[in-house]
Amino acid sequence: DTEVTQTPKHLVMGMTNKKSLKCEQHMGHRAMYWYKQKAKKPPELMFVYSYEKLSINESVPSRFSPECPNSSLLNLHLHALQPEDSALYLCASSQTGGGTGPSPLHFGNGTRLTVT
Amino acid sequence: TQLLEQSPQFLSIQEGENLTVYCNSSSVFSSLQWYRQEPGEGPVLLVTVVTGGEVKKLKRLTFQFGDARKDSSLHITAAQTGDTGLYLCAGAVTSGSRLTFGEGTQLTVNP
Repeated sequence: DTEVTQTPKHLVMGMTNKKSLKCEQHMGHRAMYWYKQKAKKPPELMFVYSYEKLSINESVPSRFSPECPNSSLLNLHLHALQPEDSALYLCASSQTGGGTGPSPLHFGNGTRLTVT
Repeated sequence: TQLLEQSPQFLSIQEGENLTVYCNSSSVFSSLQWYRQEPGEGPVLLVTVVTGGEVKKLKRLTFQFGDARKDSSLHITAAQTGDTGLYLCAGAVTSGSRLTFGEGTQLTVNP
């Protein structure tokens, strides 16, 4: 069982729909991430929140809108998506702080999104 | 240009065989992480290597970080069907920089 919980597991939406993906962690991690992953490819970073503030936006189209209501929750609001946005959307969390390198990522099991 | 090159991209072997997956770069990394992603799940951290020349063992898996901290390898002894998955290396060039993932190695172990 993963300590990062994502809902829903599967989502099918039309191009005019508005939906939200949710992510929750209770490990006390203060960094949270959204990644997009296509089949058999590595995860691609979309957004990073650090201490509930957006710190990295990897030039993601505005039809994806992240939100971090508190230190345990991360949402991704979806609007007017395109079929090419169909992918596995992974949430991750990590401890913040330096040391010898970035802290390991703890991933959820993802939301499989299909845009029709 | 991919910062981290993984090879091979795809590997299909029989149960009981040994295999090695490589992760190479022209850049020096402060640390490298290896993840395994099984079908329908998110990636799970296997190990972090930090020191050049470091070798870490996790049961049948042996991880090595190159002396110059530019490359790493993962060796699996006597592969099992449960080892099937996408193996990803990920590194950062400085302790404060973000992780970069390699392209991944899709391993299939056949019974």
